[in-house]
Amino acid sequence: GAVVSQHPSRVICKSGTSVKIECRSLDFQATTMFWYRQFPKQSLMLMATSNEGSKATYEQGVEKDKFLINHASLTLSTLTVTSAHPEDSSFYICSAGLPSPGSENTIYFGEGSWLTVV
Amino acid sequence: QKEVEQDPGPLSVPEGAIVSLNCTYSNSAFQYFMWYRQYSRKGPELLMYTYSSGNKEDGRFTAQVDKSSKYISLFIRDSQPSDSATYLCAMSYGKTSYDKVIFGPGTSLSVIP
Repeated sequence: GAVVSQHPSRVICKSGTSVKIECRSLDFQATTMFWYRQFPKQSLMLMATSNEGSKATYEQGVEKDKFLINHASLTLSTLTVTSAHPEDSSFYICSAGLPSPGSENTIYFGEGSWLTVV
Repeated sequence: QKEVEQDPGPLSVPEGAIVSLNCTYSNSAFQYFMWYRQYSRKGPELLMYTYSSGNKEDGRFTAQVDKSSKYISLFIRDSQPSDSATYLCAMSYGKTSYDKVIFGPGTSLSVIP
């Protein structure tokens, strides 16, 4: 299957600082990438949809000024958690969609990034 | 009513057993149906993908979709300890299978040696 790389896998930051997480599609070009948040023993919560070259579409309740998403190229999307607080500590996962409607396509996930804000 | 319902488990079976995982849904517009496996502290891994109704088999895994009943299943034959993970069903009604994807909450499976 397609490979999506996410970095860093784990990060600890101080409260009030900003953290950037990168999501790369390694063997395909992804016009659409997705960012999810997952709390322990819960399912994935879609935060935003990122389209290359345009502004991200945020889900209801997700603060776009706090979770900055940039999709500057067809292989890279970044999520920046600004002014992080302990309640932002979570598992953040990105995914990328193969841009070939009609063929067997779906979304492929990165390995996830554990963010701990202290 | 949630759009996608899935028994969270935990489900515990002996090695070699046949495992049946299920999801029900309420939106008849769903066309794409997926199953993902997620190991602890890892991103989900695509297991099976089905478009519309029918069965699909891949090795020890079989996915079934019954749109008339709004019910999907994943069967795992000859279950192994390495199958211990959380299984997420997912479905989509967008233009592509990755558009407007809704995930179930996941079922935790333990296969006991």
